[in-house]
Amino acid sequence: NAGVTQTPKFQVLKTGQSMTLQCAQDMNHEYMSWYRQDPGMGLRLIHYSVGAGITDQGEVPNGYNVSRSTTEDFPLRLLSAAPSQTSVYFCASSLPGGASAFFGQGTRLTVV
Amino acid sequence: QQQVKQSPQSLIVQKGGISIINCAYENTAFDYFPWYQQFPGKGPALLIAIRPDVSEKKEGRFTISFNKSAKQFSLHIMDSQPGDSATYFCAAGDNFNKFYFGSGTKLNVKP
Repeated sequence: NAGVTQTPKFQVLKTGQSMTLQCAQDMNHEYMSWYRQDPGMGLRLIHYSVGAGITDQGEVPNGYNVSRSTTEDFPLRLLSAAPSQTSVYFCASSLPGGASAFFGQGTRLTVV
Repeated sequence: QQQVKQSPQSLIVQKGGISIINCAYENTAFDYFPWYQQFPGKGPALLIAIRPDVSEKKEGRFTISFNKSAKQFSLHIMDSQPGDSATYFCAAGDNFNKFYFGSGTKLNVKP
């Protein structure tokens, strides 16, 4: 059982570069979301999706774009990386209706 | 404004003792309250969860106590073991499964 798979695991970017963090789930979950984890701040919601073709903003969406063309995939795009986006990024998926989220292993991103 | 407040930030407990972590929330629209356990370098993993119509839920050594009127909930880990040493996060979710997390508690269980 793969669950939620995130790639890459580690990435170093220069300020101004763009990149896409990949997330795929094989549990046929309708809901998917992206969080960032910073020391002392827990996890904060960036964007979420309740199904293919439907996305919305979370708490900290600025500087990030998402799209959801299939149930399985939910990529996160950084348009122009900034040092403030240095963080650990987690993708999660869940069934609808107040169900727990299953998290991937994370992508550690450093922007220099 | 942080939607979910968690305390303490860190906790040291002797093996066999009880670990208690507390959380408080403001938004009464939250209807699902999970606790996650995270080991270094790993993603958060669901430990136990509760809905607001229940005051207590127990799974093995882990118990959630929920006080709806006070908008508070807590995690109790009975007979704490060194293998329980990890960071614990409480969370509150709405009906879109948008979760708001506490800032985390780093638990260290001494042998």
